[in-house]
Amino acid sequence: VQLQESGPGPVKPSGTLSLNCAVSGDSIDNRYWWTWVRQSPGKGLEWIGEIYHDGTTNYNPALKTRVTISVDKSKNQFSLKLSSVTAADTAVFYCARRGSNGVSSGGGYYYYYYMDVWGKGTTVTVSS
Amino acid sequence: SSELTQDPTVSVALGQTVKITCQGDSLRTYYASWYQQRPRQAPTLVFYGKINRPSGIPDRFSGSNSGSTASLTITGTQAEDEADYYCQSRDISGNHLIFGGGTKLTVL
Repeated sequence: VQLQESGPGPVKPSGTLSLNCAVSGDSIDNRYWWTWVRQSPGKGLEWIGEIYHDGTTNYNPALKTRVTISVDKSKNQFSLKLSSVTAADTAVFYCARRGSNGVSSGGGYYYYYYMDVWGKGTTVTVSS
Repeated sequence: SSELTQDPTVSVALGQTVKITCQGDSLRTYYASWYQQRPRQAPTLVFYGKINRPSGIPDRFSGSNSGSTASLTITGTQAEDEADYYCQSRDISGNHLIFGGGTKLTVL
């Protein structure tokens, strides 16, 4: 399975950042969720949001008003749009496949969520 | 919303054992997943859930969960294990995922 991010390059402040993630070796119709993560220069990982093949989405509350994630099953890809960008949105953007499962332990049942396949990442710079 | 807290830096002597920890209330409900990120590379999943190690990850990587703390243990640390390590879980207050701030592991 491989994921490949692509995008148009630099974005101007107040504009909209648009990225695509092409999925190969797996069907986007599968049981996984498809996720976007970013990493600002010198900082840690930040989860942006995810989408299921039926169009169901979950977003980071801190970015929710600016983020839209969509899926194109005919092209086996999913996309990210981030609006009203500023320099603070400059980052490496990764797409990833996200799975989940659960296990019984100590009388309880615990779910876990994991991103097992990642794209190489694409750098997006917000600059005038 | 929940937070996951990691020590920013940890060091270990070559060949020794190191434990990287992650604390947060969500870990009482969800098991953590762990990612290794070498400089200028994408993250790689190294351990997840209670006992899961992806194919290709050396068995010197193991994980554990207790209460509000998750741990990633590297037994017999190698030079190539020097990297940033991130824990990740799900927020208990919503349908979103969260990462810890990351731990930079230095192998001496």
